[in-house]
Amino acid sequence: DAGVTQSPTHLIKTRGQQVTLRCSPKSGHDTVSWYQQALGQGPQFIFQYYEEEERQRGNFPDRFSGHQFPNYSSELNVNALLLGDSALYLCASSLPGQGTDTQYFGPGTRLTVL
Amino acid sequence: GEDVEQSLFLSVREGDSSVINCTYTDSSSTYLYWYKQEPGAGLQLLTYIFSNMDMKQDQRLTVLLNKKDKHLSLRIADTQTGDSAIYFCAERPVSGGSNYKLTFGKGTLLTVNP
Repeated sequence: DAGVTQSPTHLIKTRGQQVTLRCSPKSGHDTVSWYQQALGQGPQFIFQYYEEEERQRGNFPDRFSGHQFPNYSSELNVNALLLGDSALYLCASSLPGQGTDTQYFGPGTRLTVL
Repeated sequence: GEDVEQSLFLSVREGDSSVINCTYTDSSSTYLYWYKQEPGAGLQLLTYIFSNMDMKQDQRLTVLLNKKDKHLSLRIADTQTGDSAIYFCAERPVSGGSNYKLTFGKGTLLTVNP
């Protein structure tokens, strides 16, 4: 049973560039959430995708956008990168309607902005 | 709004019990989760509890919930060096089924000394 997978593992970009991160949910899950974890902090919710639509969004600027595909995989796009965007980006998948809607996390993508 | 607080550090000796504490502020019905993060890795779900429960036990893990004080604790029995990690408390208030985000604390670094 495949867990949540993310690619790439690490990424280095420069200020002003754009980046795309990818996530495949756990087998049988149809909902994907994205979180940003800065060094020494807890994860912060960016948004959640369900049925290819953004269902809920956290307090992040419009430079952060996403997409969900018919196979439930998802992408996170960040435009006009800032130094402060350096963080671990975590994807989580879940299956609503299971009561707890428990979110299972992938290993993350470490983004460094120079 | 939601706010989750945790003590930042805990150090124990191998074989002792560890108790990691968390307080939350949301007053509605809520799910409360414990996640473990090892260095350079994603988040591993350990256990969860709903706010209508007082206690949940799962092998070496015991979760206690004091609803009046909005205090949650995770007890790890017979702590091993492999338990050394950062432990995150997270909550997800259930508000008419329209809230999907997890709000995390900053994490507690557990160090287990041989």
